[in-house]
Amino acid sequence: NAGVTQTPKFQVLKTGQSMTLQCAQDMNHEYMSWYRQDPGMGLRLIHYSVGAGITDQGEVPNGYNVSRSTTEDFPLRLLSAAPSQTSVYFCASSSNDSGNTIYFGEGSWLTVV
Amino acid sequence: DQQVKQNSPSLSVQEGRISILNCDYTNSMFDYFLWYKKYPAEGPTFLISISSIKDKNEDGRFTVFLNKSAKHLSLHIVPSQPGDSAVYFCAASHTGNQFYFGTGTSLTVIP
Repeated sequence: NAGVTQTPKFQVLKTGQSMTLQCAQDMNHEYMSWYRQDPGMGLRLIHYSVGAGITDQGEVPNGYNVSRSTTEDFPLRLLSAAPSQTSVYFCASSSNDSGNTIYFGEGSWLTVV
Repeated sequence: DQQVKQNSPSLSVQEGRISILNCDYTNSMFDYFLWYKKYPAEGPTFLISISSIKDKNEDGRFTVFLNKSAKHLSLHIVPSQPGDSAVYFCAASHTGNQFYFGTGTSLTVIP
């Protein structure tokens, strides 16, 4: 059971570099989202999507872009990385059919130096 | 502004005793609540949920209580086991897909 798969698991970036965190789910869930976890801040929603071709901003969207060209994939792009984006990133998916239970990936640890 | 708050960053409990984790929310539109458990270096995993039409939901050793008038929910774990040691997050939603999470409570169950 793959569930929600995130890559890479660890990444170090220099300030100003760009990168994409990949996320794929094999549960045919319509909802997908990206969260970041920071000490003392819990999980904060970055962007989310309610279906292919539809995305929207969450609580902390600045500095990130997303797209949802297929149901399965929801990549998160950092166009110009900043040290403030050092965090642990979690991709998640959910569905009305799953009772709106959110399934998380294992996380991507990103350090921006 | 934090819409979901977990005011206790940490909690220590003896094995076999009850663990009570608390969560408060400010948005009266929230109608669905979840609890997640997270071990280090892993993604959060679903534990238990409750909708606003209920005030209690039970699943084995885990029970969630919802007090809508107080905008408060709590997770009870009884009896607590060392394997329950983890960070627990509560989350709330009023759309069913955009969830707001608390800051987490780190539970340590002492053998």
